[in-house]
Amino acid sequence: EAQVTQNPRYLITVTGKKLTVTCSQNMNHEYMSWYRQDPGLGLRQIYYSMNVEVTDKGDVPEGYKVSRKEKRNFPLILESPSPNQTSLYFCASRRHGTGAYEQYFGPGTRLTVT
Amino acid sequence: KQEVTQIPAALSVPEGENLVLNCSFTDSAIYNLQWFRQDPGKGLTSLLLIQSSQREQTSGRLNASLDKSSGRSTLYIAASQPGDSATYLCAVNYGQNFVFGPGTRLSVLP
Repeated sequence: EAQVTQNPRYLITVTGKKLTVTCSQNMNHEYMSWYRQDPGLGLRQIYYSMNVEVTDKGDVPEGYKVSRKEKRNFPLILESPSPNQTSLYFCASRRHGTGAYEQYFGPGTRLTVT
Repeated sequence: KQEVTQIPAALSVPEGENLVLNCSFTDSAIYNLQWFRQDPGKGLTSLLLIQSSQREQTSGRLNASLDKSSGRSTLYIAASQPGDSATYLCAVNYGQNFVFGPGTRLSVLP
């Protein structure tokens, strides 16, 4: 089954404790992206990657890191989480290019930083 | 700055009504536009994708139109049902990045 998976689905952590949220897709998509969703602010893009070893900042990259060492994986790293990073996070993937390529989303990771 | 807005922010209708959700974008240099549905606390489900060269796309009771020159897209839902209750999001693909609208929260009352 074609899918985007994220782990963990729920995470409660404390300020300053490094964490990684994993994202994996099995569709051989070149493009992967991370978003955060906050009430009243909608979905905002954090980072995206157009292929292996190619990453770029989205609208809200501060406090986050990503890496793309393999095509299927795109982990999101919070080196020193803070309470303002409490949010619902989504990973997504799609084929890269100008065609009618839909973006597929993972189920989301609800992060709480205390 | 690329911005996407959606009107109305919330909508409540009786079952059976036809309805229109609106999406506007400031930068018309789009690759495509995708409409999603999101149920509370859940992920996003793709409904329709409309290419920049297309005017319309249909799937079942859903019809999306695109007027790139005026920076607008509409999602038309025919014969609404309580199961259509959800938040509807439009997302504009600018090639390297995507910009989402804030969503329209739809309630269809039985």
